[in-house]
Amino acid sequence: EVQLVESGGGLVQPGRSLRLSCAASGFTFNDYAMHWVRQAPGKGLEWVSGISWNSGNIGYADSVKGRFSISRDNAKNSLYLQMNSLRAEDTALYYCAKGTVVVVVNSHFDYWGQGSLVTVSS
Amino acid sequence: QSVLTQPPSVSAAPGQKVTISCSGSSSNIGNNYVSWYQQLPGTAPKLLIYENNKRPSGIPDRFSGSKSGTSATLGITGLQTGDEADYYCGTWNSNLSAYVFGTGTKVTVL
Repeated sequence: EVQLVESGGGLVQPGRSLRLSCAASGFTFNDYAMHWVRQAPGKGLEWVSGISWNSGNIGYADSVKGRFSISRDNAKNSLYLQMNSLRAEDTALYYCAKGTVVVVVNSHFDYWGQGSLVTVSS
Repeated sequence: QSVLTQPPSVSAAPGQKVTISCSGSSSNIGNNYVSWYQQLPGTAPKLLIYENNKRPSGIPDRFSGSKSGTSATLGITGLQTGDEADYYCGTWNSNLSAYVFGTGTKVTVL
């Protein structure tokens, strides 16, 4: 059974940093690209970032480019999202999602975690 | 502001059919596969349709997808109360080098 478990969310002040983690199990982690998708309270889905199987290809939404950094550790079956210079508009539930191909592009998301809530407020 | 446009809401009585449209451009839907996701209240999204019209294992054939040009459509037949959810289309956007989701559609069973 595929499982994706996010952690690391919480309340953080504007301008500060936070690191999210996603622990994956139930599939061969290094066979697939992985992604982060977020959902602000009461709003729709927004793709944040994706990373290919070997970290060779990475993409970011314009809204987080230069502030967020995605990474993965295939030995630990884990995905990460380092979030710097956080803003109030980054407040959202952050989902870890499994891609269906090795690359970031032209994928869809067949499994999702339950999300980790990030609240940016003073 | 999403580049994929969906109607905010659709509704129908139990047993009836609803369709949800997703309008994009040649940069996204026109040249890439479309997926659809169902988000039940308080839960994570779930893949419903991929590659325009394919259903993952376990998704009933009451759900169907199609694509024509720069638009895609999700159809739900035999509507059930358990289908009340938010539905999102999604696809890769070549110009943005980013995955994009639709604005979302709330399905209500009357």
